[in-house]
Amino acid sequence: AQKVTQAQTEISVVEKEDVTLDCVYETRDTTYYLFWYKQPPSGELVFLIRRNSFDEQNEISGRYSWNFQKSTSSFNFTITASQVVDSAVYFCALSGGNQGGKLIFGQGTELSVKP
Amino acid sequence: GAVVSQHPSWVICKSGTSVKIECRSLDFQATTMFWYRQFPKQSLMLMATSNEGSKATYEQGVEKDKFLINHASLTLSTLTVTSAHPEDSSFYICSARDQTGTYEQYFGPGTRLTVT
Repeated sequence: AQKVTQAQTEISVVEKEDVTLDCVYETRDTTYYLFWYKQPPSGELVFLIRRNSFDEQNEISGRYSWNFQKSTSSFNFTITASQVVDSAVYFCALSGGNQGGKLIFGQGTELSVKP
Repeated sequence: GAVVSQHPSWVICKSGTSVKIECRSLDFQATTMFWYRQFPKQSLMLMATSNEGSKATYEQGVEKDKFLINHASLTLSTLTVTSAHPEDSSFYICSARDQTGTYEQYFGPGTRLTVT
């Protein structure tokens, strides 16, 4: 069975703080993809990153960075110097190699960045 | 970038009526589209996989006779909520997977359904 767990339901930080959103996944597939999406209050999902299971390199994109560790089945997301505009719900998702592209989403983490 | 549209963006209907939601891939062809449902403060749950030219595959617990899916062309999938009830009120989001076979999925903006 495939599963994605985001243990942090809500996080509140003050602007300019760094924040890490945790994501732990379970899958028996050897080939799989991991994703992070941002969902602002408007509801539209914003794609942030996709990582395949064979690429464990960490990635940095501006203030965003991702740490993928297969040994702990984790794919954590860090926002550096958070801003109010980062306030949203963030979802981690998994797509297994044999699942035809279906995405399994975590429960989501609601991030609130206060000025 | 690839764009997926949904229509309508929001709809209010009376209990017992049916509502059709359209999902279109605007600049690419999608043999596969997915329909998700999201209740307030909850995650997205996959309802069904829509395959062009064939029957949709429904997830466990989703009533196929209530949520009719038609994927008649490579750019259009429709979800019809039949005999809607207040408990069907939700945010419905579609995604489309491009034909290149990558795991790239593009999401529509969602449709907010309210059944009164």
